[in-house]
Amino acid sequence: GAVVSQHPSWVICKSGTSVKIECRSLDFQATTMFWYRQFPKQSLMLMATSNEGSKATYEQGVEKDKFLINHASLTLSTLTVTSAHPEDSSFYICSASLTSGGYTFGSGTRLTVV
Amino acid sequence: DQQVKQNSPSLSVQEGRISILNCDYTNSMFDYFLWYKKYPAEGPTFLISISSIKDKNEDGRFTVFLNKSAKHLSLHIVPSQPGDSAVYFCAARGNAGNMLTFGGGTRLMVKP
Repeated sequence: GAVVSQHPSWVICKSGTSVKIECRSLDFQATTMFWYRQFPKQSLMLMATSNEGSKATYEQGVEKDKFLINHASLTLSTLTVTSAHPEDSSFYICSASLTSGGYTFGSGTRLTVV
Repeated sequence: DQQVKQNSPSLSVQEGRISILNCDYTNSMFDYFLWYKKYPAEGPTFLISISSIKDKNEDGRFTVFLNKSAKHLSLHIVPSQPGDSAVYFCAARGNAGNMLTFGGGTRLMVKP
């Protein structure tokens, strides 16, 4: 089946530094990738939608300059959390839409900013 | 404004019995609904989906029912197994795009 590989699965960074999260589609081409954030015991909240080769569409309240999304190829999308702060600590998950109409999710990245 | 709601944060069921997880939505433009199972620190795993043109879809122990007039869907798991213990999310997709809106999740605990 369609698999999205997400890395790293866990990262700790210092406040003020930047962290890049990668999602790769292993056996299919991901035209559209979604990035979600999940706080403890809460739902998955959509942050942005990215289409290959174009700028990402951010949801209301999500700072595009803080959460940089790059989807330069059909197999790779990245989310960079810039100048991270403790309140950015969360679980980040990517997802790709499939031509079958379904979706496949990455395994998630737990970010802890200290 | 929560467009997809799962009003029960948790549910406890005895092994072998039926688990019923509920989900309500407010956006009448949603036309495709999905259920996902999720463990902590992992991505969601797809379980079952249903299109708005149907009112029932079954796959093994999992059945999803959709009541469009009530804007309500439910996931039935029977018989429930301890391995089913996880957080279950319902999600909905509108006909104007392919982004998903998730409910808040229900933690299912199946006791042996």
